Amino acid sequence: RKEVEQDPGPFNVPEGATVAFNCTYSNSASQSFFWYRQDCRKEPKLLMSVYSSGNEDGRFTAQLNRASQYISLLIRDSKLSDSATYLCVVYRGSQGNLIFGKGTKLSVKP
Amino acid sequence: DGGITQSPKYLFRKEGQNVTLSCEQNLNHDAMYWYRQDPGQGLRLIYYSQIVNDFQKGDIAEGYSVSREKKESFPLTVTSAQKNPTAFYLCASSPSRVALYNEQFFGPGTRLTVL
Repeated sequence: RKEVEQDPGPFNVPEGATVAFNCTYSNSASQSFFWYRQDCRKEPKLLMSVYSSGNEDGRFTAQLNRASQYISLLIRDSKLSDSATYLCVVYRGSQGNLIFGKGTKLSVKP
Repeated sequence: DGGITQSPKYLFRKEGQNVTLSCEQNLNHDAMYWYRQDPGQGLRLIYYSQIVNDFQKGDIAEGYSVSREKKESFPLTVTSAQKNPTAFYLCASSPSRVALYNEQFFGPGTRLTVL
């Protein structure tokens, strides 16, 4: 089993739709979790950290389920500018290493 | 402006040549990282450094070498021993050595193509 697994998509949705991405991780000792966004041929940028209680930032909501070892990202009211690849990232341990999923591609259409 | 710079943006290399990718940060971050990304793949860690004059191998260090002589600089050399070097190379930094909740900031990347 890969350390971090994501549905690669693509998810093709109309503007205004709500879309959810899931990610599973295999190491139960993982301590922190992130969602990064990567535009085509660009570097990844932090979208949001994921906290145990769940957290929201505008149209974006991240949730963590430690028992089932999965993380989710919900995007409400999708915009054209949300089109990108979303990377699920897990902090591996004391060495400061992040483990990146392969990403889920989102395409928002007019 | 604070940030991470990588150069060159595009690099072409003949088989059998070594090539060095530059990474500089002016964020005063302790830790720096090198990743490679292949199409449709996640980022994979090549090397990382948590302090000057010290670095550690990541998951795919074979065929690569690094140095960390200055806090702001972490160059990566792709040697001829790297079997499949064509990829997108990303350098990143984070504020401290222990990255429990630390964001990693990425440079714009270097696309290396071996001809």
